[in-house]
Amino acid sequence: DAGVIQSPRHEVTEMGQEVTLRCKPISGHDYLFWYRQTMMRGLELLIYFNNNVPIDDSGMPEDRFSAKMPNASFSTLKIQPSEPRDSAVYFCASSSQGQETQYFGPGTRLLVL
Amino acid sequence: AQKITQTQPGMFVQEKEAVTLDCTYDTSDPSYGLFWYKQPSSGEMIFLIYQGSYDQQNATEGRYSLNFQKARKSANLVISASQLGDSAMYFCAMRVTVSGGYNKLIFGAGTRLAVHP
Repeated sequence: DAGVIQSPRHEVTEMGQEVTLRCKPISGHDYLFWYRQTMMRGLELLIYFNNNVPIDDSGMPEDRFSAKMPNASFSTLKIQPSEPRDSAVYFCASSSQGQETQYFGPGTRLLVL
Repeated sequence: AQKITQTQPGMFVQEKEAVTLDCTYDTSDPSYGLFWYKQPSSGEMIFLIYQGSYDQQNATEGRYSLNFQKARKSANLVISASQLGDSAMYFCAMRVTVSGGYNKLIFGAGTRLAVHP
């Protein structure tokens, strides 16, 4: 079975550019989570969706960050404009109703110069 | 406040020995779940083991077991017969319920384990 798929795996961009990260959850999962991992702050939950609807976006750092889930098999996290402090590993994870475990994608390593 | 604490930034163990990674948690919810994830140097987050707050027995998954002590609010991970491939960062996490009945995970800071030959 395919796990959570994220693309790109690595992204290097310049400050001010738009960055779009993509995620395909495990088929049948109805929860999708976006996390950010940095050395300073560890793993932080940015936003999560249930049945494609954003439930809690309180972890989104600022208006430069936005996330969408247009259908059950696809989500995007967009940063516009990007800043060097956005450099981090961004993980997508999914789970299903009644199942406790979240399964993580391989992550996108973002470097903003 | 709901919180996960991992007090060991780094641990090392000799190959084939057992090692315990500490995790304490704080929550006032009667229902919660505790998880351990492994993050090797390649970066992915790998689910290892889960313990529900109402589970009577400690969870086990192969060489991994979770030493759940509810009164002490601890959920330590025990790895038996350590292997070189166990060298990684290990995260303890807790499932908490937020308003609306939805669940989310909060993570500890992690413990870096090094297995020596």
